[in-house]
Amino acid sequence: GQNIDQPTEMTATEGAIVQINCTYQTSGFNGLFWYQQHAGEAPTFLSYNVLDGLEEKGRFSSFLSRSKGYSYLLLKELQMKDSASYLCAATGGGNKLTFGTGTQLKVEL
Amino acid sequence: DSGVTQTPKHLITATGQRVTLRCSPRSGDLSVYWYQQSLDQGLQFLIQYYNGEERAKGNILERFSAQQFPDLHSELNLSSLELGDSALYFCASSVGGNQNTEAFFGQGTRLTVV
Repeated sequence: GQNIDQPTEMTATEGAIVQINCTYQTSGFNGLFWYQQHAGEAPTFLSYNVLDGLEEKGRFSSFLSRSKGYSYLLLKELQMKDSASYLCAATGGGNKLTFGTGTQLKVEL
Repeated sequence: DSGVTQTPKHLITATGQRVTLRCSPRSGDLSVYWYQQSLDQGLQFLIQYYNGEERAKGNILERFSAQQFPDLHSELNLSSLELGDSALYFCASSVGGNQNTEAFFGQGTRLTVV
């Protein structure tokens, strides 16, 4: 089976750093995606981790620990436009991609 | 603009009816995925087609069906519609057949069943 857990909501201040956690239980796990979705819009790709460790891409970094079934998305130098839902998704057996319900991030002044 | 086109953008229909949602993938992408997103359930994978063939199946109801045509566009057919089918339906496309590459999402079709 597949199960993805991430916090429902988070609030952070402009300019700060925020870490959004995701735990997963996925049979035949292959890798983990992070997508960003603004309200009423399409999800857009942020990162895909297959190997353990941290991958940095500009202000966004993503970490994966396969042994712990754990990932996080790190957002630095937060901007108001980063207010969005962040979706964690795991690829597993049967070529299926399972999304979490998303973490709604609110960036405040 | 992701390059994935979905039509229509909005659809309002009555219970018991049947609708067809259309998706044109990015140029060069062979895979098309369909997702349903409702307020309380997040993004649910429905089905994937790769180069005209069904590749993977998720939580797709028997009342729903899909196909991918030779020109690679895809259609999702929803029949005997119920109020609970009201949701955003996204189509996504990718180059390969495995769900381990970046997928590009269309803007979605918002279906309202009344």
